[in-house]
Amino acid sequence: EVQVLESGGGLVQPGGSLTLSCAASGFTFINYYMNWVRQAPGKGLEWVANIKPDGSAKYYVDSVKGRFTISRDNAKNSLYLQMNSLRVEDTAVYYCVGRVTAAAYWGQGTLVTVSS
Amino acid sequence: VMTQSPLSLPVTPGEPASISCRSSQSLLHSNGNNYLDWFLQKPGQSPQLLIYLGSNRASGVPDRFSGSGSGTDFTLKISRVEAEDVGVYYCMEGLQPPFTFGPGTKVDIK
Repeated sequence: EVQVLESGGGLVQPGGSLTLSCAASGFTFINYYMNWVRQAPGKGLEWVANIKPDGSAKYYVDSVKGRFTISRDNAKNSLYLQMNSLRVEDTAVYYCVGRVTAAAYWGQGTLVTVSS
Repeated sequence: VMTQSPLSLPVTPGEPASISCRSSQSLLHSNGNNYLDWFLQKPGQSPQLLIYLGSNRASGVPDRFSGSGSGTDFTLKISRVEAEDVGVYYCMEGLQPPFTFGPGTKVDIK
């Protein structure tokens, strides 16, 4: 059974930092592109970042470049998102998504709230 | 930029439904694939993959769902809507990062 479990969300003040983690099981993690996708309250989906299976390349949406860092540990089947200089507009549910062309495995999401 | 229409779609069970997605750039790769996916987010759930590469149903997706199109214009069709199909449908371009989702089309029962 495929399981994708995010953790690390919470309340943080503007300018603060937070690290999200994602633990994956039930699929061959090392073969999958891993992504973070977020959804602000009541809004649509926004792709945030992804990382190649071997970690050799990382991509980000412009609004988080220089502030967020995606990384993975294939030995632990885990994905991370280091978020710095957080802004109110970063408030969202953050989903971890494992992706190959024909499949996409989503977690249940973790809520990040940036507020003073 | 990805656009979808309509943004709201009331449907009658048993009737067909169609959602359009348009990209500001061609999603046709030199390998012949269109890098366009469709996702459905049911109420209170995480999104799920319905269609990949424009026209391929993901595993477990009922055959009442079909995707078509090429280049910049794509369509998701439901041949006979069922009550369990309500939710928000998103198209997403995956040609090269950063990837972009459409604004979503909310489908509900009339």
